[in-house]
Amino acid sequence: AQSVTQLGSHVSVSEGALVLLRCNYSSSVPPYLFWYVQYPNQGLQLLLKYTTGATLVKGINGFEAEFKKSETSFHLTKPSAHMSDAAEYFCAVSDRIQGAQKLVFGQGTRLTINP
Amino acid sequence: EADIYQTPRYLVIGTGKKITLECSQTMGHDKMYWYQQDPGMELHLIHYSYGVNSTEKGDLSSESTVSRIRTEHFPLTLESARPSHTSQYLCASSEFGDGETQYFGPGTRLLVL
Repeated sequence: AQSVTQLGSHVSVSEGALVLLRCNYSSSVPPYLFWYVQYPNQGLQLLLKYTTGATLVKGINGFEAEFKKSETSFHLTKPSAHMSDAAEYFCAVSDRIQGAQKLVFGQGTRLTINP
Repeated sequence: EADIYQTPRYLVIGTGKKITLECSQTMGHDKMYWYQQDPGMELHLIHYSYGVNSTEKGDLSSESTVSRIRTEHFPLTLESARPSHTSQYLCASSEFGDGETQYFGPGTRLLVL
């Protein structure tokens, strides 16, 4: 079964600085990969996803992620952090478990933006 | 934009009460899911459904039950609430294909006293 590891449960950056949230997965075949964002007291919102094709995926709010098969990674980046980016971020990978297609989530990374 | 709704958004209830958390989606998705989210953020799948009259238990054991009588509706029921059920419950839906993208509702935050 797939597993997802998000390096760093808390990441803090200054406003205007680069945001880098790390995600590694375990897979022997190319998976579907996702990043979701969760703002306080809300559900998860899809930021971006990789299914097939171009390995650099652009999402909403200026975020992008690159699928690197050789590194089994799908790190999320944004060139310049904004205060409104403060939220929880979840990486997920699709997997077939006991015949059912499911999403396996990482444990989440809390992003804090310092003024 | 996903159209998936959960009610109530917040619920405070006493031990032993029966509760039903509602989840509805207007996208015609066949698949629906319930997750329990701990204060530490990690999501645990507790139930899922692949269509009408289909329900399956998820990865995390739960005392709750679900039903899927209509495509758009996937309620979760706790027959006798306990403080250990205090958590946030998130509902999601997806359609076959579409890279298995799940769309989430806003969640229900449950507090059992």
